[in-house]
Amino acid sequence: DGGITQSPKYLFRKEGQNVTLSCEQNLNHDAMYWYRQDPGQGLRLIYYSQIVNDFQKGDIAEGYSVSREKKESFPLTVTSAQKNPTAFYLCASSITGVDTQYFGPGTRLTVL
Amino acid sequence: QKEVEQNSGPLSVPEGAIASLNCTYSDRVSQSFFWYRQYSGKSPELIMSIYSNGDKEDGRFTAQLNKASQYVSLLIRDSQPSDSATYLCAVNIRYKLVFGAGTILRVKS
Repeated sequence: DGGITQSPKYLFRKEGQNVTLSCEQNLNHDAMYWYRQDPGQGLRLIYYSQIVNDFQKGDIAEGYSVSREKKESFPLTVTSAQKNPTAFYLCASSITGVDTQYFGPGTRLTVL
Repeated sequence: QKEVEQNSGPLSVPEGAIASLNCTYSDRVSQSFFWYRQYSGKSPELIMSIYSNGDKEDGRFTAQLNKASQYVSLLIRDSQPSDSATYLCAVNIRYKLVFGAGTILRVKS
């Protein structure tokens, strides 16, 4: 089955901890994205990558970091510098940067 | 002005009626437009994409694009209770997909 997987589905973090969210795709897509969604709001872009070993900041990159060492994988680290990390995190991919984006199932992060 | 704007709703329609969802955008050079459906607690799923002025139909869904007015809409015919969800409009602006806040649709049986 082709698709996008995210893990874990739920994640709990203590204040001051860094956590890493996984995103894997087997669609052979070049571009991958991370979004954050807060209750009642639309999606906001955190980081995106149009090709392996390259990525750009989105609109709300502060307190987050990413890597793109493999085409299939685009992990997101939520650092302790992110002051309000509780949210629903969505990973997406597309064939190229201008094509339709398809979403993974999401990770819900809660800070305790 | 927000780059992509939608009425937050909720929009309530009776079962079998036509639901009309609207979206305006600010960037005149945008070329790609998308409608996603998101059920509560789930990730967005693509309903339709549209690139040219006019109408595009897919089953019960019709997307309408008017680039001169910077307006894109989604019509859902024969609305079903299972259509109750949040509908997100997304516009490709400068190689990034910008989302509206979404319109909540409620279909009453």
